[in-house]
Amino acid sequence: GQNIDQPTEMTATEGAIVQINCTYQTSGFNGLFWYQQHAGEAPTFLSYNVLDGLEEKGRFSSFLSRSKGYSYLLLKELQMKDSASYLCAPMDSNYQLIWGAGTKLIIKP
Amino acid sequence: ETGVTQTPRHLVMGMTNKKSLKCEQHLGHNAMYWYKQSAKKPLELMFVYSLEERVENNSVPSRFSPECPNSSHLFLHLHTLQPEDSALYLCASSQEGPGSQETQYFGPGTRLLVL
Repeated sequence: GQNIDQPTEMTATEGAIVQINCTYQTSGFNGLFWYQQHAGEAPTFLSYNVLDGLEEKGRFSSFLSRSKGYSYLLLKELQMKDSASYLCAPMDSNYQLIWGAGTKLIIKP
Repeated sequence: ETGVTQTPRHLVMGMTNKKSLKCEQHLGHNAMYWYKQSAKKPLELMFVYSLEERVENNSVPSRFSPECPNSSHLFLHLHTLQPEDSALYLCASSQEGPGSQETQYFGPGTRLLVL
């Protein structure tokens, strides 16, 4: 079956760095998406990785290892507004997104 | 970000009521999606429309009925719902539909409570 595993909740300090891990098992693979979702709001697109390696976009970076079925989202210079849920979603061979339950990130001053 | 809008934002209904959720996308996309998001659970894909044709229906109970009159509008008609249907209902759109690696853009959702 298809499965996504990411931590339920993480806590980090303002100004620090945090890494949110995601492991996945899917039927085929067509890339992996990360979304950010603030409470009560729409998920918003953060990144898409289809090749192995690190993609950097400002304070956020996303890494993919297809052979390990593993991705992470790295957030640097954390700000209070980064408190949100982060959703990992690989795309299977049918181009369907397989969603994780999300990691709730709590930022403390 | 107002690319995808949803109304109402909040809805309380009884089990015998009939109501409709509305979604509108202003991005010129060809595909639209309905998702259900329950607390601490992954998003569940309900329906997919591509160029106004339904291309996916993921075993959703018939008390949920989608309608896509054109590529910019998507409705979800609700009838005789159950309390377990209480959730956040999210609409999304993408440039192309299934069969592509397109990014999906989400609306803010409708928070539904069924009493």
